[in-house]
Amino acid sequence: KNQVEQSPQSLIILEGKNCTLQCNYTVSPFSNLRWYKQDTGRGPVSLTIMTFSENTKSNGRYTATLDADTKQSSLHITASQLSDSASYICVVSASGGATNKLIFGTGTLLAVQP
Amino acid sequence: SAVISQKPSRDICQRGTSLTIQCQVDSQVTMMFWYRQQPGQSLTLIATANQGSEATYESGFVIDKFPISRPNLTFSTLTVSNMSPEDSSIYLCSVVRQGGGTQYFGPGTRLTVL
Repeated sequence: KNQVEQSPQSLIILEGKNCTLQCNYTVSPFSNLRWYKQDTGRGPVSLTIMTFSENTKSNGRYTATLDADTKQSSLHITASQLSDSASYICVVSASGGATNKLIFGTGTLLAVQP
Repeated sequence: SAVISQKPSRDICQRGTSLTIQCQVDSQVTMMFWYRQQPGQSLTLIATANQGSEATYESGFVIDKFPISRPNLTFSTLTVSNMSPEDSSIYLCSVVRQGGGTQYFGPGTRLTVL
């Protein structure tokens, strides 16, 4: 069964600190892995997208890694800001058929406190 | 990126009534999708909106309950019919632009059914 699991479920950190969010998946056949940021009451916004051959990708203070062998990904946030408070969702795309099917993780709720 | 707008942004409805949600994209897109996000949950795909033909529904979702229209490449509607409190969710429109790549999400419509 295709699944995406994220940890921790929630996280509280102080402003300026770094943090790392984890994503484990069992999706086959794998197409790509995406990290989205979802602010409260808003739609998800794409942060990074990585294919099988990519093992790291950065977007400003966000750095995502992918280990296709162990089927793990992480999202590292550097020098956190209050505006980083949001839900971070790991999404894995399974290839096949006319369209790729997205499998969503349940998200990590991050709260950055002053 | 794709600019997606949804109307209404939120609504409170009575049990047994229906609500139609509109999704407008600023450019032609190949794929349009409708998702539901129940409180504290991740996103669940309801259906793929097909231009000029009937939508493709995921398991557990049926056309009588969630009729969808897509008259052109930039517009779609989702109707939530005969609503019950269990339908209280955020409903999100999502698109993939011509050429593939990142999947973009609208801001969502927050529905509360009393």
